[in-house]
Amino acid sequence: DAGVTQSPTHLIKTRGQQVTLRCSPKSGHDTVSWYQQALGQGPQFIFQYYEEEERQRGNFPDRFSGHQFPNYSSELNVNALLLGDSALYLCASSLVGRLSTDTQYFGPGTRLTVL
Amino acid sequence: AQTVTQSQPEMSVQEAETVTLSCTYDTSENNYYLFWYKQPPSRQMILVIRQEAYKQQNATENRFSVNFQKAAKSFSLKISDSQLGDTAMYFCACDGGATNKLIFGTGTLLAVQP
Repeated sequence: DAGVTQSPTHLIKTRGQQVTLRCSPKSGHDTVSWYQQALGQGPQFIFQYYEEEERQRGNFPDRFSGHQFPNYSSELNVNALLLGDSALYLCASSLVGRLSTDTQYFGPGTRLTVL
Repeated sequence: AQTVTQSQPEMSVQEAETVTLSCTYDTSENNYYLFWYKQPPSRQMILVIRQEAYKQQNATENRFSVNFQKAAKSFSLKISDSQLGDTAMYFCACDGGATNKLIFGTGTLLAVQP
């Protein structure tokens, strides 16, 4: 049973560029959440996707956008990169449905460095 | 708004001893869930233990157990018989029921000494 996978592992970009991060959820899960973890801090919620729609969003600017595909995999896009976007980006999957909640399982993360 | 507070930035314990990590939280939700996650240097966030707020019985997973005090909004993690592999950053998190959005504390770095 494959767990949550993320790609790439590491990424280096320059200011102003755009980046796309990818996540495949754990088998049987239908919901994907994205988190940003700055160095030495706890993860911060970016947004969550369910049924290919953004279900809820944290306090992040519109430069952060996402997508969920019919196979439940997801992408996180960040435009106009800033130095402050350098962080570990974590993807988490869960089996939520419309009304229930469930434990989130995390992928290994993508380390983004913006120069 | 939900908040999670971990007041111990770093802790150290000798191998085979017991250690307790503290966490307090605040939420207006009636039905919520609490979690402890472990993040070793490899950076993968691993679930340690989960507690449903409506359950009075404290959750236990092998050497890991929690002390859940709902009225005090306290959720501490006890690690018994500490092992070197327990060395990691430990995060307390709260999930506000229907929102399924995790709010994390700032973490406690636990070092298990041989």
